[in-house]
Amino acid sequence: GQQLNQSPQSMFIQEGEDVSMNCTSSSIFNTWLWYKQDPGEGPVLLIALYKAGELTSNGRLTAQFGITRKDSFLNISASIPSDVGIYFCAGQLKDSGGSNYKLTFGKGTLLTVNP
Amino acid sequence: GAGVSQSPRYKVAKRGQDVALRCDPISGHVSLFWYQQALGQGPEFLTYFQNEAQLDKSGLPSDRFFAERPEGSVSTLKIQRTQQEDSAVYLCASTRGPWTRRGSYEQYFGPGTRLTVT
Repeated sequence: GQQLNQSPQSMFIQEGEDVSMNCTSSSIFNTWLWYKQDPGEGPVLLIALYKAGELTSNGRLTAQFGITRKDSFLNISASIPSDVGIYFCAGQLKDSGGSNYKLTFGKGTLLTVNP
Repeated sequence: GAGVSQSPRYKVAKRGQDVALRCDPISGHVSLFWYQQALGQGPEFLTYFQNEAQLDKSGLPSDRFFAERPEGSVSTLKIQRTQQEDSAVYLCASTRGPWTRRGSYEQYFGPGTRLTVT
């Protein structure tokens, strides 16, 4: 089963507003990734984080790898209608229970932007 | 090709039928992953190939699921005697290099195959 708690499950915001979503876990992660998935498509990588405390930006997106290595957040500033979609956090567990190759995904945050 | 492609995009199977799902990774990509995504959930890892070697199949839900990548490029996920609980989107992803603990995590996903078992 999944070991990431992603929140909120959904968000309804007005165009221009800032958005924040996060993932937490009771387990330690080596890597955190944030993906966006549009309907009928595969996830697209937005930001990758490799070190505890790392803060990385990609345009209007900013993500941080928590100091404890058990959490991460994604911020989107000045949202626009094309930001609509499902955002997933994903990571590689430090202790992956025998599988060194798997990414663990959260359940996603559905973002709706009202123009 | 420019990206990861998967075929078919949609598959309807009657319970008990066998299905085969194809993934064409980005040319030259060493690593290939299969994921299963149930409705309203995030992708769940099924299996990993480095070139033609299947290094991890710990996520395959049962022995009805089988994956291969015989020449280190195209991969096929086969599901035998499909069940209703197999209904999901099956995603394929590839990365340029081999998977390492601090390696290339930039997985490029295909559009997925939506499997519906009736």
